[in-house]
Amino acid sequence: AQTVTQSQPEMSVQEAETVTLSCTYDTSESDYYLFWYKQPPSRQMILVIRQEAYKQQNATENRFSVNFQKAAKSFSLKISDSQLGDAAMYFCASVTQGGSEKLVFGKGTKLTVNP
Amino acid sequence: DSGVTQTPKHLITATGQRVTLRCSPRSGDLSVYWYQQSLDQGLQFLIQYYNGEERAKGNILERFSAQQFPDLHSELNLSSLELGDSALYFCASSKGRWGSPLHFGNGTRLTVT
Repeated sequence: AQTVTQSQPEMSVQEAETVTLSCTYDTSESDYYLFWYKQPPSRQMILVIRQEAYKQQNATENRFSVNFQKAAKSFSLKISDSQLGDAAMYFCASVTQGGSEKLVFGKGTKLTVNP
Repeated sequence: DSGVTQTPKHLITATGQRVTLRCSPRSGDLSVYWYQQSLDQGLQFLIQYYNGEERAKGNILERFSAQQFPDLHSELNLSSLELGDSALYFCASSKGRWGSPLHFGNGTRLTVT
């Protein structure tokens, strides 16, 4: 069974600084995808970034990048030049191959951005 | 805007009642997923449909049921409601291909009193 663990319930960062959110996962599958979703106070779940497990290159989307360590089963999210609008709950999620594309989510990390 | 439409946005009802949540997927998406988000349980997968057929089942109670119609919209029916069913219910859609990202609606906030 898949599990996703986010060990930091809350994090804070100063505006314009960089912050890294941690995520570890466990799966017996060799092929899978990993995602980070953002949930601002508006409560909508917004896709931030996606990583394919067989790709060694870390995914990047503007100020958001990941550090994917497959052997360690670690998938951290780095937010550079943090902005007030980045304040949200961040969820790490995984999906493995096998007949369903359901995402398994971690418990989330609440990010506060201080002006 | 994700393109996924959920109605209603809010629902307040009493214990023992039955409600129906509705979801219209993004244009072109064949898969619909239902998730329940509560404070203590996080995001829990309930059920997935692909092109009208049930594809995967998660921690969905027997009091809950869902279906996907020929026009691909989906409904989640919750019956014999209990206080513990109060939560945010999300619908998401995807193309149904392996690794496709899920696109979420804005959710329905259900309050059972």
